[in-house]
Amino acid sequence: GNSVTQMEGPVTLSEEAFLTINCTYTATGYPSLFWYVQYPGEGLQLLLKATKADDKGSNKGFEATYRKETTSFHLEKGSVQVSDSAVYFCALREGDSGGSNYKLTFGKGTLLTVNP
Amino acid sequence: GAGVSQSPSNKVTEKGKDVELRCDPISGHTALYWYRQSLGQGLEFLIYFQGNSAPDKSGLPSDRFSAERTGGSVSTLTIQRTQQEDSAVYLCASSLGGLAGNTIYFGEGSWLTVV
Repeated sequence: GNSVTQMEGPVTLSEEAFLTINCTYTATGYPSLFWYVQYPGEGLQLLLKATKADDKGSNKGFEATYRKETTSFHLEKGSVQVSDSAVYFCALREGDSGGSNYKLTFGKGTLLTVNP
Repeated sequence: GAGVSQSPSNKVTEKGKDVELRCDPISGHTALYWYRQSLGQGLEFLIYFQGNSAPDKSGLPSDRFSAERTGGSVSTLTIQRTQQEDSAVYLCASSLGGLAGNTIYFGEGSWLTVV
């Protein structure tokens, strides 16, 4: 079955540090890949996505590149801010294979804390 | 509506009671999902609706859990004879369905506490 593995947290950084959160996946077909973010006390929000190999998703200074050869979708940001403190979830959604459902499969989440 | 709406936002119930959680998806979204988020378990898929039918119920943890969707819109998740381990945030989400690249939008969740 499908699965997503992301690095264990928590991750604690100082403001303006470089961020990487690793994510690898296992899928039977051709998934789309997503990063969702959950800020304290809020719901899940889509951060970025990529729908095919070599696509780069980007938003709010965050980037992730869909690497089929390494089955990875690592999240990066060059300079984090205190406001980036949140839980980050990597997820995949299986591609169309004729009748399969389109649920998201999530990693366990990585808590990021950015200190001033 | 503008986003996925869930009610109640918070619910405290006594062990053994039944609870109903409601989800109103984004207008026009044919796909609807229920997830559960609890400490130590991450985000667990419960059930998926396409229109009013549920082709994937594989995540429902027991026969105490059921869900329905009517009119291709509102969905209700029902938990019968609640147990303490049912305490969690229940998240509803919707999407246009179809292609896997379509974004799935989440509601704020219903926080359920069973005492």
